[in-house]
Amino acid sequence: DSGVTQTPKHLITATGQRVTLRCSPRSGDLSVYWYQQSLDQGLQFLIQYYNGEERAKGNILERFSAQQFPDLHSELNLSSLELGDSALYFCASSVHFRDTQYFGPGTRLTVL
Amino acid sequence: GIQVEQSPPDLILQEGANSTLRCNFSDSVNNLQWFHQNPWGQLINLFYIPSGTKQNGRLSATTVATERYSLLYISSSQTTDSGVYFCALGEGNTPLVFGKGTRLSVIA
Repeated sequence: DSGVTQTPKHLITATGQRVTLRCSPRSGDLSVYWYQQSLDQGLQFLIQYYNGEERAKGNILERFSAQQFPDLHSELNLSSLELGDSALYFCASSVHFRDTQYFGPGTRLTVL
Repeated sequence: GIQVEQSPPDLILQEGANSTLRCNFSDSVNNLQWFHQNPWGQLINLFYIPSGTKQNGRLSATTVATERYSLLYISSSQTTDSGVYFCALGEGNTPLVFGKGTRLSVIA
């Protein structure tokens, strides 16, 4: 158990819908990262927050947004879902930027 | 951006065998991590190793930053070592870039 929690574990929804994925980092970790893992794209960095502020953005679609709350948990919002958004979404956390990253169990999103 | 190449892409081992996984990268890095993704999808951090050598049980890793490669050694492999091994790199405070991974299957 990495100490990073993610909910829900599985999510099945329809095209055009909106979903919210939630992540709680390890106690004491200030940095939260979101990744998308799909068969064709591999593990792709989406976005990073550090102590409530956005620090880095990767290949995150405009339909996706995220935030980190004062208690340091983070949410990833995916809207206008398409079939191609089906993937495993991971959250990871670390104390600071260049520290060891610990991954949560992931949320498997299926868009039908 | 940083390019990451892992080899071999696939590896099949008999239980008890040793193996070496390689990660080559294109630029200088100050953040290099190895991960294991088990068959259930969980990603586990194995090493944070931007340079030097570290050991953890049957696993060890060496990074030679000046020559832009890192090696992960697995000794006396067990079936529980099966899964995909990723190296991931970053430079400065940039996000980690993941390689495509080496898929390891250990057969009893």
